[in-house]
Amino acid sequence: EVQLVESGGGLVQPGGSLRLSCAASGFTFSTYWMNWVRQAPGKGLEWVANIKGDGIIKHYVDPVKGRFTISRDNAKNSLYLQMNSLRAEDTAVYFCARDADILYDSNWYDAYDIWGQGTMVTVSS
Amino acid sequence: AIQMTQSPSSLSASVGDRVIITCRASQDIRYELGWYQQRPGTAPKLLIYAASSLESGVPSRFSGSGSGTDFTLTISSLQPEDFATYYCLQDYNYPRTFGQGTKVEIK
Repeated sequence: EVQLVESGGGLVQPGGSLRLSCAASGFTFSTYWMNWVRQAPGKGLEWVANIKGDGIIKHYVDPVKGRFTISRDNAKNSLYLQMNSLRAEDTAVYFCARDADILYDSNWYDAYDIWGQGTMVTVSS
Repeated sequence: AIQMTQSPSSLSASVGDRVIITCRASQDIRYELGWYQQRPGTAPKLLIYAASSLESGVPSRFSGSGSGTDFTLTISSLQPEDFATYYCLQDYNYPRTFGQGTKVEIK
């Protein structure tokens, strides 16, 4: 079964750090771009970061640049998000999502086709 | 960053109704747009990619159209399981950006 399972969420004080993990199974993990998407309580979705299959190319949304680091270990079929200098506004459910990255009509398109169940991160004193 | 604006923010509809949700981009994004459905307490689900391509396994009552800056998601005949929040997502450039969501509620 194709599956993503997040872990590592919890309660952390402002300024603290946390490392999220996303374990992948049922597909060839190393061939897919992977993403982190978050959702603050009662709010909409926010794309956070992504990483290419080989781990070399990474992108981030501006509010997390310099504080969050996305990485992967293809030997362990795992995706990570190291979060430092956490702020109250980082409080959210964090989802990992696979990008099927579909070639259609000679162009590549994002398609986040597999999602984890999410892990809650609460930043509070 | 490209801003994605959805309308309406919420709507009430009955089973069997035709529902149309729009998404407007702050600049031309060609066809690089997807639609996602999120039921309460669950992860989002991919419905449409490349503006109009239906994801495998998604019912044919869902359809997407548009290009450039204006896009629509249409549900041709609303079913009980379609009551959820819908988001558009642009993949034209970075950072990827979602619309604010459209909540579809039971009338």
